[in-house]
Amino acid sequence: DQQVKQNSPSLSVQEGRISILNCDYTNSMFDYFLWYKKYPAEGPTFLISISSIKDKNEDGRFTVFLNKSAKHLSLHIVPSQPGDSAVYFCAARGLNQGGKLIFGQGTELSVKP
Amino acid sequence: DGGITQSPKYLFRKEGQNVTLSCEQNLNHDAMYWYRQDPGQGLRLIYYSQIVNDFQKGDIAEGYSVSREKKESFPLTVTSAQKNPTAFYLCASSSRGGFGKLFFGSGTQLSVL
Repeated sequence: DQQVKQNSPSLSVQEGRISILNCDYTNSMFDYFLWYKKYPAEGPTFLISISSIKDKNEDGRFTVFLNKSAKHLSLHIVPSQPGDSAVYFCAARGLNQGGKLIFGQGTELSVKP
Repeated sequence: DGGITQSPKYLFRKEGQNVTLSCEQNLNHDAMYWYRQDPGQGLRLIYYSQIVNDFQKGDIAEGYSVSREKKESFPLTVTSAQKNPTAFYLCASSSRGGFGKLFFGSGTQLSVL
């Protein structure tokens, strides 16, 4: 039973446009949600997070939105750049579970010049 | 330069052989984790350790073993009992408390000969 799902394996966007990556979850007890970016043969790097008590968090070109009633979060990248091309993982943490994260399957973003 | 070092980058295992993946961190983090990534899937937690000389099983611990004798080191042994060991293995660390932000190493690709 997958508690965190990213239903789109891939997404292609034109440079300068908005990229929207989606993530759905089933467990209402998650207290933090995180996005990680991963290049091939490298470890993921932390991008942005959001607490379950908030509905939006912004950091430069990256914004994460949380809709708790729909159990849905999304990552917006504006404007998209070719260097953003990578696999993006959504992750969720159970209440006070430290770094024990549950990851989605990932979405591969391709930003075309 | 603070970070997490995983070695080797590539590892090959023969049938019936145990192999050990190294993970060292100099971030002074209390907690360390091992995740496994299979193609098209998210990361799954194998083992984690919140403090020296203590560790717990994650979601897919069968066929693996760990030790945490030093704060800086958290080696993972893939035993012959792990029937499908081919995967990309990622070590991570985090500070105590916080919101689940993990710092990852660059990974070890394990393949079966």
